[in-house]
Amino acid sequence: EVQLVESGGGLVQPGGSLRLSCAVSGFTVSGNYMNWVRQAPGKGLEWVSLINSGGSTYYADSVKGRFTISRDNSKNTLYLQMTTLRAEDTAVYYCARAKGAQWLSFDYWGQGTLVTVSS
Amino acid sequence: DIQMTQSPSTLSASVGDRVTITCRASQSISSWLAWYQQKPGKAPKLLIYDASSLESGVPSRFSGSGSGTEFTLTISSLQPDDFATYYCQQYNSYSSITFGQGTRLEIK
Repeated sequence: EVQLVESGGGLVQPGGSLRLSCAVSGFTVSGNYMNWVRQAPGKGLEWVSLINSGGSTYYADSVKGRFTISRDNSKNTLYLQMTTLRAEDTAVYYCARAKGAQWLSFDYWGQGTLVTVSS
Repeated sequence: DIQMTQSPSTLSASVGDRVTITCRASQSISSWLAWYQQKPGKAPKLLIYDASSLESGVPSRFSGSGSGTEFTLTISSLQPDDFATYYCQQYNSYSSITFGQGTRLEIK
């Protein structure tokens, strides 16, 4: 059975840092195109970042230079390191798997973890 | 970035109705478009990918069409479980993945 379980969310002050984790079972993180997608309270979906099977990474302009996506193949876990956090980064963060290299639609999602940036 | 515009923002309909949601891209995205359903407090669920391919396990009352800049999601006969928010998503390039603003489908 496929499962994606996010953790690491919480309350952080503006300018602070946080690392999110997404533990995956049922497929390998290293063999798939993995993503982070966020949703601010009451708002729509925003793609944040992607890491492909080759290890190349891509970011939305809104987080470029502040967020880093990575993976630990031995733990089959995806990460999102977030630094210099702003109030506008407050959101539920989902990890999601893309169907494939050409099909960047997301077929498996985690339950989400809430990040709140506030003083 | 490619902008995705959905219409309408809110749609009121009854069980059994046929409904259509439209998504327009600011530039051509070929058929690189997906549709999702999201219910409150839950993760989105993939319905359609590549504009018209039905995801495994999704009821056949859902269908997608379009290419280039204009796309539609149609639900042929609304069921009670279908009242939710729907999003389109374009994936024309790895560094530019964007979603529409969402369409809330509510019970009339």
